[in-house]
Amino acid sequence: KAGVTQTPRYLIKTRGQQVTLSCSPISGHRSVSWYQQTPGQGLQFLFEYFSETQRNKGNFPGRFSGRQFSNSRSEMNVSTLELGDSALYLCASRTGESSYEQYFGPGTRLTVT
Amino acid sequence: TQLLEQSPQFLSIQEGENLTVYCNSSSVFSSLQWYRQEPGEGPVLLVTVVTGGEVKKLKRLTFQFGDARKDSSLHITAAQPGDTGLYLCAGHPGYSGGYQKVTFGIGTKLQVIP
Repeated sequence: KAGVTQTPRYLIKTRGQQVTLSCSPISGHRSVSWYQQTPGQGLQFLFEYFSETQRNKGNFPGRFSGRQFSNSRSEMNVSTLELGDSALYLCASRTGESSYEQYFGPGTRLTVT
Repeated sequence: TQLLEQSPQFLSIQEGENLTVYCNSSSVFSSLQWYRQEPGEGPVLLVTVVTGGEVKKLKRLTFQFGDARKDSSLHITAAQPGDTGLYLCAGHPGYSGGYQKVTFGIGTKLQVIP
């Protein structure tokens, strides 16, 4: 079974631009979560989608948004990029709402200059 | 908000040594996971513990869930350079009809020197 895939793997943007990141979960997994990882803050939860509905949201500004499609693929969008948005963005999938274990993709390394 | 504290945050040891890293919280978790992350990659799930006092072994790695399900430890015997990485613990509060998000610790960065 193929793992979680994320595209692109690396991205360089300038301040003020917007970016869209993509995540394809493991086949059969209906839940997708997004995390931001930085050296100082660790893994910070952004949001989770289950069956195309956002189930929970972390403490991030409204510039961060996401969606999930009927095939469970998910996208995350960040508008008006700031230098502090530079991070590794990780996507994780799990089978359903009651499952504990998450399977992570390799991440997208975003650098904002 | 449930918090998970990991200690130590950094650990550098010689190959062959033993080590233990800790994951502590004041909150109760219904399950706890340990992950290992290598640079530039996503975390990889190592183990899930769900029962208070539970001990699980994965080759040279021993994981224990505290009796009260508020803390956990990871013990590595005879560390190898391949054990180098960031070790993350993640606590799940349980599913009670409404979704509650998983909490991650900040991680323990382990370096095993050959």
